[in-house]
Amino acid sequence: QQQVKQSPQSLIVQKGGISIINCAYENTAFDYFPWYQQFPGKGPALLIAIRPDVSEKKEGRFTISFNKSAKQFSLHIMDSQPGDSATYFCAASRGDSGAGSYQLTFGKGTKLSVIP
Amino acid sequence: DAGVTQSPTHLIKTRGQQVTLRCSPKSGHDTVSWYQQALGQGPQFIFQYYEEEERQRGNFPDRFSGHQFPNYSSELNVNALLLGDSALYLCASSLAGPQGRVAYGYTFGSGTRLTVV
Repeated sequence: QQQVKQSPQSLIVQKGGISIINCAYENTAFDYFPWYQQFPGKGPALLIAIRPDVSEKKEGRFTISFNKSAKQFSLHIMDSQPGDSATYFCAASRGDSGAGSYQLTFGKGTKLSVIP
Repeated sequence: DAGVTQSPTHLIKTRGQQVTLRCSPKSGHDTVSWYQQALGQGPQFIFQYYEEEERQRGNFPDRFSGHQFPNYSSELNVNALLLGDSALYLCASSLAGPQGRVAYGYTFGSGTRLTVV
């Protein structure tokens, strides 16, 4: 059972354009929604994250929009640049009771190509 | 400031063999999580270690085991390797917050690419 569904699988955007990647989740216990960027041969790197008490968060050219009622969230990359070409993953996690921590549930990823 | 270090970077094993992957967490971090990333897929959580104990485990068989050492470094062991175990194995470290609860911030290593033939 895939708990986080991500679309599209791949995306081609012109330089300067807006890249939009969407994710939907099922588990209403999720309380943290990060986006990761992964370049070939590297591990994922945290890009931006949001909690469900906020509908939007912006950091530089990257914005997360969050719709709690629809159980959806999206990543917008403004003024997309060739250097943004990478695979992007949405993820979600929930806190666990007691001592311990959290685990991330990832989407399947979106390969973004920004063409000059 | 050294990030998460994983070794080896690449590994080829034969089906049925056993493998050990190693991870050194980012300086100041005390919790290590392991993820498996199959080609073209998102990472999947294997397990997490904090205070030298396995705290959480994902949906992986007992062939996958781990260990955390007093210096917070960790090992992932996979026994009786299957072709389907071929993947990128990612280690992520983080800092535990109050009451052992991990703060929301993973740092991933570049991974170990395991190929089972």
